[in-house]
Amino acid sequence: KAGVTQTPRYLIKTRGQQVTLSCSPISGHRSVSWYQQTPGQGLQFLFEYFSETQRNKGNFPGRFSGRQFSNSRSEMNVSTLELGDSALYLCASTGSGETQYFGPGTRLLVL
Amino acid sequence: AQSVTQLGSHVSVSEGALVLLRCNYSSSVPPYLFWYVQYPNQGLQLLLKYTTGATLVKGINGFEAEFKKSETSFHLTKPSAHMSDAAEYFCAVTDSGAGSYQLTFGKGTKLSVIP
Repeated sequence: KAGVTQTPRYLIKTRGQQVTLSCSPISGHRSVSWYQQTPGQGLQFLFEYFSETQRNKGNFPGRFSGRQFSNSRSEMNVSTLELGDSALYLCASTGSGETQYFGPGTRLLVL
Repeated sequence: AQSVTQLGSHVSVSEGALVLLRCNYSSSVPPYLFWYVQYPNQGLQLLLKYTTGATLVKGINGFEAEFKKSETSFHLTKPSAHMSDAAEYFCAVTDSGAGSYQLTFGKGTKLSVIP
């Protein structure tokens, strides 16, 4: 099976812009979670989607949003980018068990 | 609320020496525990996990970990370090049966292997 794929892999934006990141889970997986990784805060949970519904949400401002499509692909959007949003954004998919399988991440740099 | 503490942000070992990375967790319900490894500019790769049953779990690349409920620990070990083990390691916890797969991660331990 193909693994979790994320696009794009690298992205440079300027403050105030918005960005959309995409994640395709492992075939058959219905749960997709998103995490932000920064040197200062480490790995932090953003949100989880299951069957197109947000099932859980972390402690991030409303500028961070996501959605999931009927084919389980997920997107996350960050509006009004701030310098502090520079991070590696990781997507993970889960099948019938409890294990999350991570993609390679999208590295976002906000200038 | 759950939390994970990884003791030592940097650990150095000689090639061939024992690797021991420490992880303690806090959880009000029976936890599921995981160790992930991250190589530079890559995502997280699952090394091993504990859900139920045998408390000593074996993972990939010769790693193993033991769940000790009384000590709330899940330390990662490998008998003999290899140069290719140099990476960052993350311990994570999630609630069993919570219906959601939110992982809480430790801050990570960067492992250096000295030739």
